[in-house]
Amino acid sequence: DTAVSQTPKYLVTQMGNDKSIKCEQNLGHDTMYWYKQDSKKFLKIMFSYNNKELIINETVPNRFSPKSPDKAHLNLHINSLELGDSAVYFCASSQMGGLTTNEKLFFGSGTQLSVL
Amino acid sequence: AQSVAQPEDQVNVAEGNPLTVKCTYSVSGNPYLFWYVQYPNRGLQFLLKYITGDNLVKGSYGFEAEFNKSQTSFHLKKPSALVSDSALYFCAVRDMNNNAGNMLTFGGGTRLMVKP
Repeated sequence: DTAVSQTPKYLVTQMGNDKSIKCEQNLGHDTMYWYKQDSKKFLKIMFSYNNKELIINETVPNRFSPKSPDKAHLNLHINSLELGDSAVYFCASSQMGGLTTNEKLFFGSGTQLSVL
Repeated sequence: AQSVAQPEDQVNVAEGNPLTVKCTYSVSGNPYLFWYVQYPNRGLQFLLKYITGDNLVKGSYGFEAEFNKSQTSFHLKKPSALVSDSALYFCAVRDMNNNAGNMLTFGGGTRLMVKP
């Protein structure tokens, strides 16, 4: 069973389109994230979300929006796609709560987005 | 603010030799430190972490890392490299006193190449 799964694995689309990437985790974690990995492999946090709050990296354009229908899902919606949005997007989850918790991230296998 | 630096884009080592992948960090409080590994076309996988306690942390696949507070470093080490260790390695930090979304900041990654 895949702990963190995201779909689609590949997404090719035209500039200006709106697209979504889905993410689901079956680990019972309370916090989910979206990361963007650019062509140079640099990994940047985009969002952190649990059932209490959404934390947004201030550098993320408001064309990007996470939506969580329930605790196990955090989907990423992107409006008006731009060429610079081309990257690999990773979903991740973790169980937070202090020093006694097994704090580590579990990542999905990534969605390669190509904007033409 | 929290940040991580991995000064080497690539580290080359012969199989059987010891390896070191360098990481330095900057946080305003006390750090949580992590190493993750990324194999081609995969999401990141957790290797090890330092939260508190012993400065030498042992992790998966024979890797270990040493927390050095005075040098603000958390270098990844392995006594004897394997060809299968070839991958992209990411160091990450979270400020223990920063609870804003529990977001990790990742370094730029270091590609480890182990040659037979």
